[in-house]
Parts: sequence; structure tokens; C-alpha cells
Amino acid sequence: DTGVSQNPRHKITKRGQNVTFRCDPISEHNRLYWYRQTLGQGPEFLTYFQNEAQLEKSRLLSDRFSAERPKGSFSTLEIQRTEQGDSAMYLCASSFGANTEAFFGQGTRLTVV
Amino acid sequence: AQSVSQHNHHVILSEAASLELGCNYSYGGTVNLFWYVQYPGQHLQLLLKYFSGDPLVKGIKGFEAEFIKSKFSFNLRKPSVQWSDTAEYFCAVTLRRGSQGNLIFGKGTKLSVKP
Repeated sequence: DTGVSQNPRHKITKRGQNVTFRCDPISEHNRLYWYRQTLGQGPEFLTYFQNEAQLEKSRLLSDRFSAERPKGSFSTLEIQRTEQGDSAMYLCASSFGANTEAFFGQGTRLTVV
Repeated sequence: AQSVSQHNHHVILSEAASLELGCNYSYGGTVNLFWYVQYPGQHLQLLLKYFSGDPLVKGIKGFEAEFIKSKFSFNLRKPSVQWSDTAEYFCAVTLRRGSQGNLIFGKGTKLSVKP
């Protein structure tokens, strides 16, 4: 499958623990996005990379959240000191260039207990 | 701030009924418009998109959408739905200028089609 791949698919963690998610975009795509989706809502933008540079961060992205895309390929999203309010589906999407469609992965569902 | 409104939270139809899902956005500048679909247990998939040109856009699986600039609307239509169209549908926009291409989504409309 050459689509966007996200791991793990599900993560259950205790409050206060750190978690890290991985996204592998479509190989030739230079743009990578992270979104968060909670029940009954559409996906909300978190952050964006063009190649390895993180160019935009939403105000939704608190200091406990950090994202990297070290070589312009895969990306990681880390949440430190998780809170119950962090429980959500975390989606990754990639695209090539501006004004093109984004392709989404299946997401990582985080449950904080 | 820019936003996207989808007027119907949950729509229930019988097979062969016609479908229209409303979408309005609030932004005065030039936008790209999208409809994404999420089938149960699957990832978001692009249904159709509008960047420029003919405001009536045809997508996959018999769906179409019409961009009406004066109404800031991009409604999704299908003349005859099938049970397999049961899914959640999301309208989204990106700003042509002044953004990095991140999508602004509506809250989604859940479509249930009864066989």
C-alpha cells in the first residue's frame, strides 16, 4: 500500500504519560499535515511541514505537543504529560505542492485513561 | 476566522432517494473546495474538489457539487443514493492565499441509507 501510513492505529495510555505517533507520507509528497478529530467534529489542523521545516502551528498545539519531520520524510507527533482532553483521533495527511488534494492516513486513536 | 458550516448533522434516506448536503464557508477571498468521505472504519477519501473553472464539479461514485460564489456554498448532490453510500461526509476549504494549504473542515454530516 503506497498511501499514507500511521502507527500505531490505537494507543491507550495513562494520564501523565508521554506518547509518540508516527506518520509515513506518500513518498513524493513534500507537504505533511497533522490534524486532530474528536467525536462529532471535523478534523482540526494542528501543524504543517514543508519538507523538514515546520512552517505553521495551530494555537490548538499546546507546549506539550511537539512534531518533527527530521529528513523531510516520516513525521512524529509527541504528546507529553497526556491529559484526558488529549483523547482523540490524530490524523496525518500529505500532499505535493500548493493547491493540490491531501491524502489522509487511517489515523491513530488515542485514549487517555 | 474562517469557518465551514454543514447544516445537517445526520441524514437518513432510503435507497434511490436523492441527496443534497449543504455546505457554506465564511471567507471573502479565493478558496479551494473539497468534499471528503469517510466510510465506516476507513480513512478520509477525496470525493471531489473545486479549484477553478466550471462550478459544477463531478466526483467519484456519481456525486457532484456546485460552487455558488455569491452564496459561499458548495453543496453536494447525488440523484440516487445506494446503501453503500452510508458514510460521514465532510466539506472542507483551503485558502488560495495566505495559508499553507491546511484544510478547514466542517463538522461533518452522517448519512445513513436504508436498504
